[in-house]
Amino acid sequence: GQQVMQIPQYQHVQEGEDFTTYCNSSTTLSNIQWYKQRPGGHPVFLIQLVKSGEVKKQKRLTFQFGEAKKNSSLHITATQTTDVGTYFCAGGRQGGSEKLVFGKGTKLTVNP
Amino acid sequence: GAVVSQHPSWVICKSGTSVKIECRSLDFQATTMFWYRQFPKQSLMLMATSNEGSKATYEQGVEKDKFLINHASLTLSTLTVTSAHPEDSSFYICSARGGVQDTQYFGPGTRLTVL
Repeated sequence: GQQVMQIPQYQHVQEGEDFTTYCNSSTTLSNIQWYKQRPGGHPVFLIQLVKSGEVKKQKRLTFQFGEAKKNSSLHITATQTTDVGTYFCAGGRQGGSEKLVFGKGTKLTVNP
Repeated sequence: GAVVSQHPSWVICKSGTSVKIECRSLDFQATTMFWYRQFPKQSLMLMATSNEGSKATYEQGVEKDKFLINHASLTLSTLTVTSAHPEDSSFYICSARGGVQDTQYFGPGTRLTVL
């Protein structure tokens, strides 16, 4: 079945450093979505990417969708302590299925 | 907009009892709702897809008689964990598809502890 691999599993940075998490799918995706889950909380939708090669920005966050629609990345510039949490990518399958396949997530910790 | 609520937020029950969890989309209609299970420090695992007015579609390995899903309306889906056992203890999260961006919006989750 479809798999979404996400790396790294953990990332610890000093406040002010950049952070990137990567997702790779075994199959071509119709779209990819990114979620953030704070400790003890639930996943919160960040963004959806649909087009091949799409790049979207939200303040210090930059999201990319690969040309082949099989990989994606989330980059945070100059991390802050408020960025702490686990970032999940979730791939939508081509063919009309509404289901999302989640990556295992990258847990980000930020040292002030 | 696109708020999803879940009730209860946490529940502790004895082994053998059944527990019902409600998932509501508060400000939009959701033809499809999803139920996930998340173990500590792990990712979300899809249990089933719930469509209003029809039977839920369960993922492989999920017992449909164990986890009963009812999607009664466009704003409400329920998950009943029947004859709960300690191994059913987990964080159960629902999501509802819809809203302006037509994506999945997650509820706050229900932490189930079975003694």
